[in-house]
Amino acid sequence: NAGVMQNPRHLVRRRGQEARLRCSPMKGHSHVYWYRQLPEEGLKFMVYLQKENIIDESGMPKERFSAEFPKEGPSILRIQQVVRGDSAAYFCASSPERWRAEAFFGQGTRLTVV
Amino acid sequence: AQSVSQHNHHVILSEAASLELGCNYSYGGTVNLFWYVQYPGQHLQLLLKYFSGDPLVKGIKGFEAEFIKSKFSFNLRKPSVQWSDTAEYFCAVTPNTNAGKSTFGDGTTLTVKP
Repeated sequence: NAGVMQNPRHLVRRRGQEARLRCSPMKGHSHVYWYRQLPEEGLKFMVYLQKENIIDESGMPKERFSAEFPKEGPSILRIQQVVRGDSAAYFCASSPERWRAEAFFGQGTRLTVV
Repeated sequence: AQSVSQHNHHVILSEAASLELGCNYSYGGTVNLFWYVQYPGQHLQLLLKYFSGDPLVKGIKGFEAEFIKSKFSFNLRKPSVQWSDTAEYFCAVTPNTNAGKSTFGDGTTLTVKP
């Protein structure tokens, strides 16, 4: 059973471009979570999705950031018009259920905005 | 709102020394508790977790942690560290009602000198 797969591992974007980060959850997992890790900081929750639904986006910046988890295919975290402050590691986690379960983390995507 | 406090930002030990990393949390409900390790350039790996039952939990690589409910603490311990334990350690708290919405501490960087 493959773990949580994120791609790309490293992404470089110029200011103003769009960044698309992909996350394929573990087989059988329908709950996906995105986190951001800024330099010298811990992970901060961004958004929680189930198939085709955003359940909790309380940690998402109000502008330029969006996330989806379609019926088919990976979850996508999209950052429009990137700025230098978006440079961070973005981690995805998945779990089989919402209650009393453990979330498994992917290897992360390191976004660098130049 | 949940919060997690890791008291030590950077710990330096010699090999064979004993380790204890502090973690205190603030949350009004039932929580699940985790310790993760992140080796340089790598993704998060779960060291151990506490859901319920025996408050002393044993994890991988000789690590253990004790949940003290009255103190809202979940300190990580290892009797004898090795050079290979050099990494960043994160404590995380997840409400029992949402498996993936974790609050992470800012991390403790452990450097073990050979």
